[in-house]
Amino acid sequence: QLQLLESGPGLVKPSESLSLTCTVSGGSISSSSYYWGWIRQPPGKGLEWIGSIYYGGNTYYNPSLKSRVTISVDTSKNQFSLKLSSVTAADTAVYYCARNRKYYDSSGLRLNWFDPWGQGTLVTVSS
Amino acid sequence: QSALTQPASVSGSPGQSITISCTGTSSDVGGYNYVSWYQQHPGKAPKLMIYDVSNRPSGISNRFSGSKSGNTASLTISGLQAEDEADYYCSSYRSSTTLEVVFGGGTKLTVL
Repeated sequence: QLQLLESGPGLVKPSESLSLTCTVSGGSISSSSYYWGWIRQPPGKGLEWIGSIYYGGNTYYNPSLKSRVTISVDTSKNQFSLKLSSVTAADTAVYYCARNRKYYDSSGLRLNWFDPWGQGTLVTVSS
Repeated sequence: QSALTQPASVSGSPGQSITISCTGTSSDVGGYNYVSWYQQHPGKAPKLMIYDVSNRPSGISNRFSGSKSGNTASLTISGLQAEDEADYYCSSYRSSTTLEVVFGGGTKLTVL
C-alpha cells in the first residue's frame, strides 16, 4: 500500500533554513487525483497545514507561512520537499507529509482530506 | 488560536456515546462538505476517520460517524471502547484569498 516517509536533519539553528524530503512508495506521486501536503505539530499542540503541491508543480501555502515556505516536487524520484527559511524556536515541531485529496466542483479546485500520513519527523530549532 | 474551534476535552464511559463539535464559518465548515476528522494516539501520526463530513474510509468502524449543521460539524463515537482514547482533530477546506486547509485545535477524548 502507499507509504510516505519523511527525512531530513533533526536539528536546525535559528535563522537558518529547514529542509525535509518526503519519499512516496507503493504508488506514483504523479496522480491526477491528489496533491501532496506538509503538516506540522509543535510539541503538545495541534496540527497546522503548511502547504500542498501537485505533481505538475502547482502549490498552495498557508498564508501565515507563505513568505518563508517553498514546496517542490521531483517526480523522477517520487519525492516532494519542504523548505522553511528563517526558522525560530516557534518552528520546532513534528513535521508530517501526507497525500492530499483534491476535488473540483462548480466553483473550482478544493483541497480536502489527508491520507495516508508519514510517521513524522521531529525538527528542533536550537543553537 | 486555531482556525476551527473544538472543545479541549470530552470524556465518556465504555459503551456510551460522545460527540465532538467543530465550529467554523461560512468560508469553511459551513460553506463546503469538505470536513474531515482524524484520530491521533500519543506518539503516532494522525489517522483519517471521516471524510466529506460523513463518509468512513475502508476499515474504519461504523461506531464513528460524522454530521454537519450550519457552521458546526460533529464527530460521534458510539459504543466507546478503551482504544478510542486519543486526540481528535477536525479539518476543513477554506476559501479565502487562496485555497487553504484549516484544522481545529484538537479534542482529548478520555474513556473513563
